Amino acid sequence: QSALTQPASVSGSPGQSITISCTGTSSDIGDYNYVSWYQQHPGKAPKLMIFGVSNRPSGVSNRFSGSKSGNTASLTISGLQAEDEADYHCCSYTSISGLVVFGGGTKLTVL
Amino acid sequence: EVQLLESGGGLVQPGGSLRLSCAVSGITFSSYAMSWVRQAPGKGLEWVSAISGSGGGRYYADSVKGRFTISRDIAKNTLYLQMSSLRVEDTAVYYCASSLGSYNKKFDYWGQGALVTVSS
Repeated sequence: QSALTQPASVSGSPGQSITISCTGTSSDIGDYNYVSWYQQHPGKAPKLMIFGVSNRPSGVSNRFSGSKSGNTASLTISGLQAEDEADYHCCSYTSISGLVVFGGGTKLTVL
Repeated sequence: EVQLLESGGGLVQPGGSLRLSCAVSGITFSSYAMSWVRQAPGKGLEWVSAISGSGGGRYYADSVKGRFTISRDIAKNTLYLQMSSLRVEDTAVYYCASSLGSYNKKFDYWGQGALVTVSS
């Protein structure tokens, strides 16, 4: 069982917006802004998409945005494109162990 | 161009040992904390271990503590993971990942992964 909870799957049509949630506790997401998101296409390595809750690395499309409310972080993808179809993983620092925890991953299907 | 290239994966029997390597290029190796993150077949990502840029700090997930040892050779720009007392549940693709500064804020770059299969 993953420490952070994500929906197993989400879907959307091209051009639409979708949001993926990532729920933790006050020991991780709630009290720290060390939330990151990773995109992973089948058979490929993960790629950093968002860090520090809402920051985008250079080269990542501004269609990707991150936010946080309470113990839940969210990744929003606007203007869905076929190439956005992938697995998305959230990650956070946790003060329980002083280490890092991931969510179980969410499969995004572009209809 | 930043490149992280894992090697050393393979098939090993339960109780056996294996050493993974990760050759790094395109970044100032000593400025980056390095981690190993694994992914069991069909599952999510699991952080395994991390080492600070200087090598002075080493961190482990409870699931591998006492069995795995992380190390780095700055002269060779290479990260290692020595795995012993391997279990069937250690079967996974193992990725190395780099983090500018502290390892627990984000993983900037990832390798392509090395498959470790623990089976009799």
